[in-house]
Amino acid sequence: GQQVMQIPQYQHVQEGEDFTTYCNSSTTLSNIQWYKQRPGGHPVFLIQLVKSGEVKKQKRLTFQFGEAKKNSSLHITATQTTDVGTYFCAGITGNQFYFGTGTSLTVIP
Amino acid sequence: NAGVMQNPRHLVRRRGQEARLRCSPMKGHSHVYWYRQLPEEGLKFMVYLQKENIIDESGMPKERFSAEFPKEGPSILRIQQVVRGDSAAYFCASSLSFADTQYFGPGTRLTVL
Repeated sequence: GQQVMQIPQYQHVQEGEDFTTYCNSSTTLSNIQWYKQRPGGHPVFLIQLVKSGEVKKQKRLTFQFGEAKKNSSLHITATQTTDVGTYFCAGITGNQFYFGTGTSLTVIP
Repeated sequence: NAGVMQNPRHLVRRRGQEARLRCSPMKGHSHVYWYRQLPEEGLKFMVYLQKENIIDESGMPKERFSAEFPKEGPSILRIQQVVRGDSAAYFCASSLSFADTQYFGPGTRLTVL
């Protein structure tokens, strides 16, 4: 069954507002990856987190990996219309990838 | 360096027919993954292959579905006797090694009439 849950499923924000999506696993992960899928497109890799408590930034995007390596978050500061899409986390444990259900972000101009 | 190629991009089949989806990984990648995505839903892992070997097929239905990744040529996802519920986008991804970055192909959108 599904081991990686993501919330919220949908998020509508006004352009300029911040956005956060959360990823929670029922088991400890060895690492976690984040992907973005634009409407009608395919997932594109954003980043990988490996260490407990790790924080990485990419311009307006901040990625965190929890201390227990069971949860992760993606925060976007001051959203832009180009941020529209679905954000997926993918937890890796043992020999398996578990993609989260995704958070669909809509940015209202 | 060409990315992951998938063909066909769109495939229409009638119920009971067979669907063959092809995936050519990035050059040098020997790890291939297949995912299914239903409209408005997330990615569901189906199978993970590493050149000629199926490593994990826990996400693939036991009947009608099969996958292979021969020594030469693309990886093939085969769906026999398709039903309407098989209509979805099927994405293939490849990586250099397990747990490395996955590079996704553009997907094959299967429609079963």
